[in-house]
Amino acid sequence: EAAVTQSPRNKVTVTGGNVTLSCRQTNSHNYMYWYRQDTGHGLRLIHYSYGAGNLQIGDVPDGYKATRTTQEDFFLLLELASPSQTSLYFCASSDAGGAPEQYFGPGTRLTVL
Amino acid sequence: GDSVTQTEGPVTVSESESLIINCTYSATSIAYPNLFWYVRYPGEGLQLLLKVITAGQKGSSRGFEATYNKETTSFHLQKASVQESDSAVYYCALGDMNNNAGAKLTFGGGTRLTVRP
Repeated sequence: EAAVTQSPRNKVTVTGGNVTLSCRQTNSHNYMYWYRQDTGHGLRLIHYSYGAGNLQIGDVPDGYKATRTTQEDFFLLLELASPSQTSLYFCASSDAGGAPEQYFGPGTRLTVL
Repeated sequence: GDSVTQTEGPVTVSESESLIINCTYSATSIAYPNLFWYVRYPGEGLQLLLKVITAGQKGSSRGFEATYNKETTSFHLQKASVQESDSAVYYCALGDMNNNAGAKLTFGGGTRLTVRP
């Protein structure tokens, strides 16, 4: 069965802090995604990737960097965290091709004080 | 741009009552939209509930149904008789069949459903 794990599950940092969120998938999927989920906004795509070394800009990329080191691992980096980045972050993976199902991790709750 | 609008929550219904969560979409940049309902149970990530890739077709899963209506640009989620275990957040999503665009999804805001025993 598809598996996507995220770490940490909860993180508290201060304004200006440096945060890395990790995601690993064991599905052998090509695509991986980072979303943020805020009340009233649903999930919004930050960055995504279709393979190791590839990065595509999503819909809300400002203040975020991402890196896909291997097919399994996708990292989201907040180099100067701000309170506006307090959110619930989800990672997902999917096959390529039309209408693929996305498999989601359990989420990371980030609080920036 | 592309967008999805769904029933604002929270929605509270009693067990065995019927449910409808409305979803409408705007697919200005997508030639062949496909539509999804995802569900998120407490403490878990989202999981696919159902999907429909062809206009006019109906998808169903776990007693839930949704019909892809291209004329009204809608994809409402319905269930005839809800159970307490259906309490969760439901997300309507719009996808693009175009492989070259990747597998991006546009999500609605989510509807939190609570089912009273």
